[in-house]
Amino acid sequence: AQSVTQLGSHVSVSEGALVLLRCNYSSSVPPYLFWYVQYPNQGLQLLLKYTTGATLVKGINGFEAEFKKSETSFHLTKPSAHMSDAAEYFCAVSGASGANNLFFGTGTRLTVIP
Amino acid sequence: DADVTQTPRNRITKTGKRIMLECSQTKGHDRMYWYRQDPGLGLRLIYYSFDVKDINKGEISDGYSVSRQAQAKFSLSLESAIPNQTALYFCATSDPGGGAVTGELFFGEGSRLTVL
Repeated sequence: AQSVTQLGSHVSVSEGALVLLRCNYSSSVPPYLFWYVQYPNQGLQLLLKYTTGATLVKGINGFEAEFKKSETSFHLTKPSAHMSDAAEYFCAVSGASGANNLFFGTGTRLTVIP
Repeated sequence: DADVTQTPRNRITKTGKRIMLECSQTKGHDRMYWYRQDPGLGLRLIYYSFDVKDINKGEISDGYSVSRQAQAKFSLSLESAIPNQTALYFCATSDPGGGAVTGELFFGEGSRLTVL
């Protein structure tokens, strides 16, 4: 079985500051891990994903995440927050044997303070 | 036009009424999904379909039914709506050639349902 835990339902950062959104996963098989972003009144869109290979993955809009198996973590970071980054972010996991389903975390709402 | 279109975008109904949410896609994907989003609970899978003849229950299928009318159309029905089905509903698609394995889903903009 797979699940993810997102620490912090709300995160506020100042514009230009580091963004760190935390995600820990549980998986009985090698996981595929994802971050999705949801802007207001929109559906979710893929930000980045880890399947195999390099553990540091880069996504759109300057975001990146690192898969750390020893810590069962997949935290999302961005060096410098921009006002346009304000959104809700969801971590998700699926089993590497086939993504019949993604298991989503409860989401973290990011606020960027001018 | 959006690749994944949901109708209606907003609906208010009363307890006991039958409601249908519709989803159509122009991405040519075989796999379609219905998710429900509730504040603080994230997204939960209701049903998914890998092709027209394949329908599968997700985590929270009780009280819902679906119909896959064509490759491009996947509808969700609430036979007798109840207030705790008030939520934001999302349709999504994926491509078995790559997206389904790697997990990339393409979402519609959502249908907000309120049951009074």
